[in-house]
Amino acid sequence: DAGVTQSPTHLIKTRGQQVTLRCSPKSGHDTVSWYQQALGQGPQFIFQYYEEEERQRGNFPDRFSGHQFPNYSSELNVNALLLGDSALYLCASSLAGGAVNTEAFFGQGTRLTVV
Amino acid sequence: KQEVTQIPAALSVPEGENLVLNCSFTDSAIYNLQWFRQDPGKGLTSLLLIQSSQREQTSGRLNASLDKSSGRSTLYIAASQPGDSATYLCAVKTGNQFYFGTGTSLTVIP
Repeated sequence: DAGVTQSPTHLIKTRGQQVTLRCSPKSGHDTVSWYQQALGQGPQFIFQYYEEEERQRGNFPDRFSGHQFPNYSSELNVNALLLGDSALYLCASSLAGGAVNTEAFFGQGTRLTVV
Repeated sequence: KQEVTQIPAALSVPEGENLVLNCSFTDSAIYNLQWFRQDPGKGLTSLLLIQSSQREQTSGRLNASLDKSSGRSTLYIAASQPGDSATYLCAVKTGNQFYFGTGTSLTVIP
């Protein structure tokens, strides 16, 4: 079992550009959540995808958008990048829509640097 | 809004010592609580999951307790080893999202 895999591992972008990050959930998992972790902080919830729809969204602007594919993999898109978007982006997968008794598993993250 | 606090922010102990990491949260209406380990620049590794109806969970040298009514959890690490050096994050699940603390950075000195 490969666990949760994210790509790329590192990325450098210029202010104003757009970026796409990718996540493949743990085998058998159908729910993907995205988190942003700034340096020295705990992860902050961006949104969750289940059954190819955004199920819940955290306090992030519309520049952050996502998608979930029929195979449960997911993409996070960020438009009009700001310096403050520099962070580690983490993907978490879980079962059954993230039901209350399910464990979440995280990937290794994508380190995004905006210059 | 749920707020999670972890104390201490940093901890340095000699190898072999037993230690306790603390986590508190403001809203007791949680579904579950997970403890994670994070190595520098890396993702999160799940250590223990405690359901809201449970009081504790154990895995090897790790034991986590949960007192939902008081909004507290502790992670006990027995016989610490240098390989335990990492940041430990507490996360409570409310609705579909986790709320995280800022972590405790642990250094175990050989």
